[in-house]
Amino acid sequence: QKEVEQDPGPLSVPEGAIVSLNCTYSNSAFQYFMWYRQYSRKGPELLMYTYSSGNKEDGRFTAQVDKSSKYISLFIRDSQPSDSATYLCAQKQGAQKLVFGQGTRLTINP
Amino acid sequence: DTEVTQTPKHLVMGMTNKKSLKCEQHMGHRAMYWYKQKAKKPPELMFVYSYEKLSINESVPSRFSPECPNSSLLNLHLHALQPEDSALYLCASSQGGQRTYEQYFGPGTRLTVT
Repeated sequence: QKEVEQDPGPLSVPEGAIVSLNCTYSNSAFQYFMWYRQYSRKGPELLMYTYSSGNKEDGRFTAQVDKSSKYISLFIRDSQPSDSATYLCAQKQGAQKLVFGQGTRLTINP
Repeated sequence: DTEVTQTPKHLVMGMTNKKSLKCEQHMGHRAMYWYKQKAKKPPELMFVYSYEKLSINESVPSRFSPECPNSSLLNLHLHALQPEDSALYLCASSQGGQRTYEQYFGPGTRLTVT
């Protein structure tokens, strides 16, 4: 029941591009979804979370959940070199557990 | 202060050694976590402490022994590890419950078992 699938990339785009990162999940019983960002040699940090379906926007970042297709997405507008990191999607399963996708390594080229 | 600190940053140990990893947070969080992360892989949950009690053990081998001395501290005692246990060990904390989605991670301890 723990599958959260994510394309590991790597993904390389020019500065200013719109980035789309995606995950699929298999267990529909749990409705909290998160995006964490992990810089090299650091711990992950929470970027955004969503509950159930729909969009959530925070500055240049938009998180989207499509329950019908079991798809979660993170869009980054006007990408910057400082956005270069590994992005991990996650699903909260149960009261205390996060299950992470494999992570997508993103590089923004100046 | 949203910082989770971990010591040491790096650790090299032999298979017969005993060592401990330490984690500390001062955010008043009542849930603390240990994760293991191999290179280019996601963090994998090992243990969860909630209100200083072990609430989840993800079938981790007994050579890993967690301890939560108080609400701010979390230790991971290591004994007779194997080379395949080499990884980044991450500690995290959260308010727990519905706020489990918001976990604050430390920088990790990079462990090498020789």
